[in-house]
Amino acid sequence: AQKVTQAQTEISVVEKEDVTLDCVYETRDTTYYLFWYKQPPSGELVFLIRRNSFDEQNEISGRYSWNFQKSTSSFNFTITASQVVDSAVYFCALSEYPNTDKLIFGTGTRLQVFP
Amino acid sequence: EAGVTQFPSHSVIEKGQTVTLRCDPISGHDNLYWYRRVMGKEIKFLLHFVKESKQDESGMPNNRFLAERTGGTYSTLKVQPAELEDSGVYFCASSPLDSRNIQYFGAGTRLSVL
Repeated sequence: AQKVTQAQTEISVVEKEDVTLDCVYETRDTTYYLFWYKQPPSGELVFLIRRNSFDEQNEISGRYSWNFQKSTSSFNFTITASQVVDSAVYFCALSEYPNTDKLIFGTGTRLQVFP
Repeated sequence: EAGVTQFPSHSVIEKGQTVTLRCDPISGHDNLYWYRRVMGKEIKFLLHFVKESKQDESGMPNNRFLAERTGGTYSTLKVQPAELEDSGVYFCASSPLDSRNIQYFGAGTRLSVL
């Protein structure tokens, strides 16, 4: 069965702190994709990153970085030097594409960054 | 370029009433998806259209939910009659045919059934 677990319901940090959001997934497929989406207060889900199961390289985009480890079935997301604008709900998701398009989401982690 | 738009942003109805949610995908996107998030839980897949055809409706909870996409453009999701457990946020997403793996989401419709 496919499942995504985001054990952290809510995280609060002070601006400029680093913060890591955890994501653990379960799938029997050998080909799959992992995603992170951000939901700011405006409500829409904003796509951040996609990773396929064959590419375990870590990725960095500005203050954002992602650590994909198949050995632990984890796809963690780190924000360096957090800012108030990073406050949002962050969702991790799994897709067993191309078998199916559907995304399987975790329950989300609410990040609050205080000035 | 306009993103995925959903209307209304919020709907409050009484149990037993009918509600219709609308989604306008990004122009040119043939794939359209509906998802739902019940309070505090994960976002769950409802169904997937490719143009006007239902590709996968495995997530539709029951026959009180009817999704349509006439003409392959916008889509509607009707709930009739609404029950208390239908409350939640309904998200729509779209993707192009040749790159359907990344789905672009709207801001959702918050449905409150009283």
